[in-house]
Amino acid sequence: SYELTQPPSVSVSPGQTARITCSGDALPQQYAYWYQRKPGQAPVLIIFKDVQRPAGIPERFSGSTSGTTVTLTISGVQAEDEADYYCQSTDSNDSYEWVFGGGTKLTVL
Amino acid sequence: QVRLVQSGTEMKRPGSSVRVSCRASGGTFSVNAISWIRLAPGQGLEWMGGVIPASGAPTYAKKFQGRLTVTADESTTTVYMELRSLRIDDTAVYYCAREVATGTEYDGMDVWGQGTMVNVS
Repeated sequence: SYELTQPPSVSVSPGQTARITCSGDALPQQYAYWYQRKPGQAPVLIIFKDVQRPAGIPERFSGSTSGTTVTLTISGVQAEDEADYYCQSTDSNDSYEWVFGGGTKLTVL
Repeated sequence: QVRLVQSGTEMKRPGSSVRVSCRASGGTFSVNAISWIRLAPGQGLEWMGGVIPASGAPTYAKKFQGRLTVTADESTTTVYMELRSLRIDDTAVYYCAREVATGTEYDGMDVWGQGTMVNVS
């Protein structure tokens, strides 16, 4: 089955830039989506179609793509950004089966 | 403003079944797919399956085929998830989420329910 690979954890100090990667063989052909989940809350969509930001999501959140890796970048990290981050994609245009990465815990030091 | 409101906490025995509901309000119900995603303790998000209410045709992750049924009731704008033959490791928070699209391009899951805790023990 298709897998998306994320680092388990990333740590940064406030004001620094955090980068969270997500790797998958089909990412050159398929869009990726990013979700933020804080404890006790439902996930929130923060990036769609690799690089687009939904209304209301701060500009410090951005997405990029290079080959089989997509990256979520958080510029000027704030304490409130401490959360779990998940990428989502699929490996096929034909099979409607979504896959999530294992998640990355962002710790703001 | 679209809202998804889920049913409450469930306590279940191994081998039994659970049915969780997800009622949509404030938007166009039939055209958007609704997915079910779960989050088990210490694990990551896991997509289980979904349905487009207008078509009624569900899609399931291979892992859950044969054990999961997702249905939609347009008259009550409610989507249901039924998981059978429950195991201890089915203990999780179960979320419903609305999928949005622009034309044929998927734009992600933009609205989520509050989550339903299912405890199997």
